[in-house]
Amino acid sequence: DTAVSQTPKYLVTQMGNDKSIKCEQNLGHDTMYWYKQDSKKFLKIMFSYNNKELIINETVPNRFSPKSPDKAHLNLHINSLELGDSAVYFCASSPRLAGGDTGELFFGEGSRLTVL
Amino acid sequence: KNEVEQSPQNLTAQEGEFITINCSYSVGISALHWLQQHPGGGIVSLFMLSSGKKKHGRLIATINIQEKHSSLHITASHPRDSAVYICAVWSRSQGNLIFGKGTKLSVKP
Repeated sequence: DTAVSQTPKYLVTQMGNDKSIKCEQNLGHDTMYWYKQDSKKFLKIMFSYNNKELIINETVPNRFSPKSPDKAHLNLHINSLELGDSAVYFCASSPRLAGGDTGELFFGEGSRLTVL
Repeated sequence: KNEVEQSPQNLTAQEGEFITINCSYSVGISALHWLQQHPGGGIVSLFMLSSGKKKHGRLIATINIQEKHSSLHITASHPRDSAVYICAVWSRSQGNLIFGKGTKLSVKP
């Protein structure tokens, strides 16, 4: 059983479209994250959710919106896609947030988004 | 200057060699993570540490909080260790993980 699964793995779409990436974890963790890895392979936090509550909202455009129907799921919706949104998006989870004592991080396989 | 600096950026080793990857950071942290990203893209957590030293198989991670420095050591390296190794720190002031740019390791048979 995959601990953190995200779909789709690959997504190719046109500028201006709206798309979603789904993430689910079966570890019973309290905290989930979305990270963006750019073309230079640099990872950066986008959002984290702790028990369905948004804890961190980094300076990402408001075209990106995380949605968590329950603590096992954290989906990423992107509106009006732009060329610069092309990247690999990783979902992750950890047992807790706890001021940085998160416990081990578990990552999904990544979703490669290409905007044409 | 990045808040998390790794060295070297690229490392090529022969099978069996002892490998060290370094991570220095400039912010106050709660914990430091070492991650491994496989050539296929998946990311795996290797260690989370806030003091001292941890060992798992052939991998050893150390951290010196006073010097704001951590090292990841691989003993008896093997071609399957070829990957990008990423250091990430939990910044107390920012309340999130800050990543280094990674060290690309290639182990030749």
